[in-house]
Amino acid sequence: AQKVTQAQTEISVVEKEDVTLDCVYETRDTTYYLFWYKQPPSGELVFLIRRNSFDEQNEISGRYSWNFQKSTSSFNFTITASQVVDSAVYFCALDNFNKFYFGSGTKLNVKP
Amino acid sequence: EAGVVQSPRYKIIEKKQPVAFWCNPISGHNTLYWYLQNLGQGPELLIRYENEEAVDDSQLPKDRFSAERLKGVDSTLKIQPAELGDSAVYLCASSVRPSAEAFFGQGTRLTVV
Repeated sequence: AQKVTQAQTEISVVEKEDVTLDCVYETRDTTYYLFWYKQPPSGELVFLIRRNSFDEQNEISGRYSWNFQKSTSSFNFTITASQVVDSAVYFCALDNFNKFYFGSGTKLNVKP
Repeated sequence: EAGVVQSPRYKIIEKKQPVAFWCNPISGHNTLYWYLQNLGQGPELLIRYENEEAVDDSQLPKDRFSAERLKGVDSTLKIQPAELGDSAVYLCASSVRPSAEAFFGQGTRLTVV
């Protein structure tokens, strides 16, 4: 069974638009970790955020914000006022008993 | 501080040939991961090390893939013999401990012809 679902394969927005990337995960455990990574065209995955299952507080970091809702098993990522440099593939991941499951990624295209 | 270093960046080999990838993790990171990433997909874990011990190799195709992490620092992933379907990007990552944020190298893009 797929552990992490990123239903949006590709999203295109115009610069300065807000965009939300969806992530739905599946686990029966109460203890787990959720992550978001960015993969620019250069190929190297860049860590963005780590959240443990007991902390549902939403987080904001500059133009980035994350909404964690255990009730819907979702960990969505919003970029406010998107910029061309945000263009990349974004991966959501679940760490479940030290087993890492990545989603298939959402490719974000930000056009000037 | 240097990040995770992988070499080579690119490798083209003929099928049935052997190939090896090398990874130098961030200093002090005890946990090391090897992932395989196919085009348009997320990374898939091949093996995870805690120091020099392979604690999760359940997804490693052991008939042709092998890995080692001598002295709990550098690691090598080998494929012998390579098949056409092995063409992918092989990523190495490290973290200070399990479940902590992992830092990734730039990967080795393998093409088997």
